[in-house]
Amino acid sequence: DQQVKQNSPSLSVQEGRISILNCDYTNSMFDYFLWYKKYPAEGPTFLISISSIKDKNEDGRFTVFLNKSAKHLSLHIVPSQPGDSAVYFCAASSHGSSNTGKLIFGQGTTLQVKP
Amino acid sequence: KAGVTQTPRYLIKTRGQQVTLSCSPISGHRSVSWYQQTPGQGLQFLFEYFSETQRNKGNFPGRFSGRQFSNSRSEMNVSTLELGDSALYLCASSLVISGDNTGELFFGEGSRLTVL
Repeated sequence: DQQVKQNSPSLSVQEGRISILNCDYTNSMFDYFLWYKKYPAEGPTFLISISSIKDKNEDGRFTVFLNKSAKHLSLHIVPSQPGDSAVYFCAASSHGSSNTGKLIFGQGTTLQVKP
Repeated sequence: KAGVTQTPRYLIKTRGQQVTLSCSPISGHRSVSWYQQTPGQGLQFLFEYFSETQRNKGNFPGRFSGRQFSNSRSEMNVSTLELGDSALYLCASSLVISGDNTGELFFGEGSRLTVL
């Protein structure tokens, strides 16, 4: 039962253009969503998050959009840079002390930004 | 500020053996979570420890266990290794305020286990 899905295994964009990574979830109890970036031979690093009380959160070149009715979130990277080439994981959690530290991850999307 | 440290980084075992992996969290982080990453299954939650107590567990068999020490360092153990246990095991620590995680996990570089 894949509660968090990233249906696109890979994405290729040109440097300077927008990268849009998508994520769908099925569990309506999820109320906190995060994006992580992972380079080979390294652990995932936190990128940006959004609470279910918001529909948008922005941090520099990265913006996450949340559509609760569609159970869908997306990560926009503008402009894309070659250094953004990595695997991007979407993750979700249900807040509250009983579920802290437990994230449900998607399968990941490999982003390649071409110079 | 030192990050999350995992040891060993790489190890090779044979079927039936057992393995212990170690994780030192970021100073001040009291929650430690463990994840298994495999090509086919992505990142899957194993368990979480807080104040030396396991407070969350994923859907893994009892061969997978862990513990946390008073200094928040954690170990995980896998007994009777199977070929399918070959994976990258990631440890993550997080800050806990009033019993709740802030939501952001800080991951180590992982321990790459190969079972032959």
